[in-house]
Amino acid sequence: GAVVSQHPSWVICKSGTSVKIECRSLDFQATTMFWYRQFPKQSLMLMATSNEGSKATYEQGVEKDKFLINHASLTLSTLTVTSAHPEDSSFYICSASASGDNYNEQFFGPGTRLTVL
Amino acid sequence: RKEVEQDPGPFNVPEGATVAFNCTYSNSASQSFFWYRQDCRKEPKLLMSVYSSGNEDGRFTAQLNRASQYISLLIRDSKLSDSATYLCVVNVDNYGQNFVFGPGTRLSVLP
Repeated sequence: GAVVSQHPSWVICKSGTSVKIECRSLDFQATTMFWYRQFPKQSLMLMATSNEGSKATYEQGVEKDKFLINHASLTLSTLTVTSAHPEDSSFYICSASASGDNYNEQFFGPGTRLTVL
Repeated sequence: RKEVEQDPGPFNVPEGATVAFNCTYSNSASQSFFWYRQDCRKEPKLLMSVYSSGNEDGRFTAQLNRASQYISLLIRDSKLSDSATYLCVVNVDNYGQNFVFGPGTRLSVLP
């Protein structure tokens, strides 16, 4: 299957700082990338969907000014958590899809564990 | 009502047992369905897509009942390595992708 990488795999930061997470599709071009968040013992919650070269579409309740998403190329999307607070501590996972077809598989990155002190 | 609901679990079964997971979804217009597995502190990985006619992949069988808005996953001859959380995933977007994940059902296969 296709490979998606994320960097960093974990990060610990102080409250108020910004954290950038990178998501890369390594061996295919991802027309669509997705950002999810997963709190302990809960399922994945979609935060936003991004298509290369256009603005991300955010899910209801997700602040676009706090979670900045950039999808500048077909292989790279970034999520920046601005002014992070302890409640933002979570497991952030990206996924990528080679096309927008509704039956196309999403390939998930290994996730980034964010801890905000 | 949540969009996607699953058996709460956990399921603790002995090696070799057959186990079935159930999933219901609320959006009748949903078009595509999947089972993913997620190991502890890892990302989800696709186990199988679920087609209208039902499909089988080795020890795994998935069924879809659109009328009842119900999906199932059957695992036969369970192995220790099957221990994981199984996520029912429904694409609620007719033309693109908007995956809604169920809460997951945890399976522990015991020696």
